[in-house]
Amino acid sequence: NAGVTQTPKFRVLKTGQSMTLLCAQDMNHEYMYWYRQDPGMGLRLIHYSVGEGTTAKGEVPDGYNVSRLKKQNFLLGLESAAPSQTSVYFCASSYSISGPSNEQFFGPGTRLTVL
Amino acid sequence: AQKVTQAQTEISVVEKEDVTLDCVYETRDTTYYLFWYKQPPSGELVFLIRRNSFDEQNEISGRYSWNFQKSTSSFNFTITASQVVDSAVYFCATDRGSTLGRLYFGRGTQLTVWP
Repeated sequence: NAGVTQTPKFRVLKTGQSMTLLCAQDMNHEYMYWYRQDPGMGLRLIHYSVGEGTTAKGEVPDGYNVSRLKKQNFLLGLESAAPSQTSVYFCASSYSISGPSNEQFFGPGTRLTVL
Repeated sequence: AQKVTQAQTEISVVEKEDVTLDCVYETRDTTYYLFWYKQPPSGELVFLIRRNSFDEQNEISGRYSWNFQKSTSSFNFTITASQVVDSAVYFCATDRGSTLGRLYFGRGTQLTVWP
């Protein structure tokens, strides 16, 4: 049982390049989330998904796109990377969104640097 | 507007001291959840506790305890007899009664425990 995994762990991009971050969970969770963590800012929600085939915008969605083609995977894409997107990206999943078992389980993070 | 306030940016203590991390939240909802997560130097986010708004009982888990007071919108976290391994960034979060599972994080408190 690997929990939540993220690929890659580290990446350096040049401004304007594109990339996709992959998140996978093996807990059969319905709900998945992408956050970014910047120094002194805590975590902020980028996009989230309440089920396979659904996605929605979070607090800071600009410059990112997501897809949830399979229940276990949640992809975060950067079409044209900018230095402001240098951050640590965390994926999370949860069994429910309210009531018991709504705690979110996080992946190990991806450290992205955009030059 | 900040939804979760962790006023203590950094705290340093010496091993075996007790330490309390403060968390104040904002919500207009009657039903909501509060969470604490730990982020050790390795970077992953570890779930510590979930508390719903109807349960104001204090909780103790080993050296950890949590004090939830709705009257002051606070959910404070105390570590008794701190250890070096407790050194980490601690985040408080709330779902603010969201039906979509979104978490709002505070900016975190960096706790350093010196031997």
